[in-house]
Amino acid sequence: AQSVTQLDSQVPVFEEAPVELRCNYSSSVSVYLFWYVQYPNQGLQLLLKYLSGSTLVKGINGFEAEFNKSQTSFHLRKPSVHISDTAEYFCAVRPPNAGGTSYGKLTFGQGTILTVHP
Amino acid sequence: NAGVTQTPKFQVLKTGQSMTLQCAQDMNHEYMSWYRQDPGMGLRLIHYSVGAGITDQGEVPNGYNVSRSTTEDFPLRLLSAAPSQTSVYFCASSRGLAGSQYFGPGTRLTVT
Repeated sequence: AQSVTQLDSQVPVFEEAPVELRCNYSSSVSVYLFWYVQYPNQGLQLLLKYLSGSTLVKGINGFEAEFNKSQTSFHLRKPSVHISDTAEYFCAVRPPNAGGTSYGKLTFGQGTILTVHP
Repeated sequence: NAGVTQTPKFQVLKTGQSMTLQCAQDMNHEYMSWYRQDPGMGLRLIHYSVGAGITDQGEVPNGYNVSRSTTEDFPLRLLSAAPSQTSVYFCASSRGLAGSQYFGPGTRLTVT
């Protein structure tokens, strides 16, 4: 079984400040890792994903995330946030291998609400 | 491409009523999933499908049925609505396990 913990339910920051949204996961097998963003009253949009290779992943809107296998973490960062980054962010994991009941299942964290103040 | 479409956008049901939430995608994706989103709980998987004719249960399948007769469509049926099923429902699709999941705009369901 796999699980995802987002360590902060809410993160308030001022515009142009850096931000880090924390995500830890637990899994008995290797996983693919994702960050999604949800703007108010909208569906989820993929920000970035880690499948393999370089542990630093760059996504859309200036976001990046670093996979740390030893700490089982996948924290999301942005060096300078904008008002438009205000949204809820979800970390998610998915098993890479086929077969069994875990096939295709994407497990989400509880979400972190990022609020950017002027 | 319309992407992933969901209907209706809003629905109010009385306890005990049944209904079907529609989901369709035009990207020829094999994988389709249904999630429910509740405050502070993230998204929880209800049912998923890895292709036409193949479905399986997710974390919270009780009270819901699905079928996948075509690649494009993946309807979610509520058999006898309960207030605990008040939630926002999202349908998603992807080309494979590593593929990006594309989400629909959601259906906001209230059961009174």
